[in-house]
Amino acid sequence: EAGVAQSPRYKIIEKRQSVAFWCNPISGHATLYWYQQILGQGPKLLIQFQNNGVVDDSQLPKDRFSAERLKGVDSTLKIQPAKLEDSAVYLCASSLDLGIAFFGQGTRLTVV
Amino acid sequence: EDQVTQSPEALRLQEGESSSLNCSYTVSGLRGLFWYRQDPGKGPEFLFTLYSAGEEKEKERLKATLTKKESFLHITAPKPEDSATYLCAVQAWDRDDKIIFGKGTRLHILP
Repeated sequence: EAGVAQSPRYKIIEKRQSVAFWCNPISGHATLYWYQQILGQGPKLLIQFQNNGVVDDSQLPKDRFSAERLKGVDSTLKIQPAKLEDSAVYLCASSLDLGIAFFGQGTRLTVV
Repeated sequence: EDQVTQSPEALRLQEGESSSLNCSYTVSGLRGLFWYRQDPGKGPEFLFTLYSAGEEKEKERLKATLTKKESFLHITAPKPEDSATYLCAVQAWDRDDKIIFGKGTRLHILP
């Protein structure tokens, strides 16, 4: 069974530029999560989708971050404009419904 | 207030030296507690799910246990390849079923 796919693996951008990350969850998984993990910290939930609807986005900085999940499958997370403090690993995860979340390899973003 | 607290932050053990990692939580209505392993540059890898106090799960040298307010990850006779960051997460009714992570314990096993 294929796991959660994310791209790109690495991205370096200058501050104030924009960037987008892509995630393809495990087939059949209704719930999709985006987490931000700063070096040395645990993952922090940014947004949670159930099919193509947003369940929780309370910790998403909506002035610069946006996410969508079209047709309830793939998802994209965008940052515009990026700040230095956005440097982190962005993790996508999916689960059947509630319960065990399976993670992708993540995208390491460096903002310079 | 942190809802999931892991201790210690870092732990160095000699190969074969058994120990335990702690995860305490303050949420109510626990739906599930999860343990993950994370290697550098990779995403978290699922290890165990525990649902109720008294439950135990085992996998190779790892055993996870759960009480009403904390979980332990026991590692018996560890090997260098067990070196990783171990993350604990909870999912609870009173947190809208979000999966909330602790900061992790960095485990280093010396040969």
